[in-house]
Amino acid sequence: KAGVTQTPRYLIKTRGQQVTLSCSPISGHRSVSWYQQTPGQGLQFLFEYFSETQRNKGNFPGRFSGRQFSNSRSEMNVSTLELGDSALYLCASSSQQAGLTDTQYFGPGTRLTVL
Amino acid sequence: EDQVTQSPEALRLQEGESSSLNCSYTVSGLRGLFWYRQDPGKGPEFLFTLYSAGEEKEKERLKATLTKKESFLHITAPKPEDSATYLCAVIQGAQKLVFGQGTRLTINP
Repeated sequence: KAGVTQTPRYLIKTRGQQVTLSCSPISGHRSVSWYQQTPGQGLQFLFEYFSETQRNKGNFPGRFSGRQFSNSRSEMNVSTLELGDSALYLCASSSQQAGLTDTQYFGPGTRLTVL
Repeated sequence: EDQVTQSPEALRLQEGESSSLNCSYTVSGLRGLFWYRQDPGKGPEFLFTLYSAGEEKEKERLKATLTKKESFLHITAPKPEDSATYLCAVIQGAQKLVFGQGTRLTINP
């Protein structure tokens, strides 16, 4: 099976702009989670989607949003970019069988640089 | 609030020198503890999932163990290709992983 794919891999934006990142989960996986990784804060949870519904959200401002499509692909959007949004954005997918704690498999990430 | 603390922050070993990485956690009702390996500029690569105290899992030179308060990742006779950052995480709620800060492991030839 192909792994989790993320596009684009690298992105450079300026302050105030907005950005959309895309994630395609492993085939058959219905849960998609997003994480932000920075040297200072490490890996932090942004949100998780399952069957097009957001089930869990981390402590990030409303500028960070996401959605999931019927084919389980997911996008996240960051509006009004700030310098502190520069990070590696990681997507992870899991099969999420009911009642089980499933392993999350990560994609390669999108490196966002805000100038 | 669930917390995960990893130690040491960095560890430098000679090839063949065995050691252990520590992951201490405080969580109300552990549902799973995960170990990942991350190479620079790449996404975390899954290694192990542990569910209950006393559980052990092995893969090549790595062995993960779990107690009620901590997990250890033992690395036996490491090779330079084992150099990476090792991340520990617990699951909270619906698929939210809470990560430690990681241990940066360097194996010198």
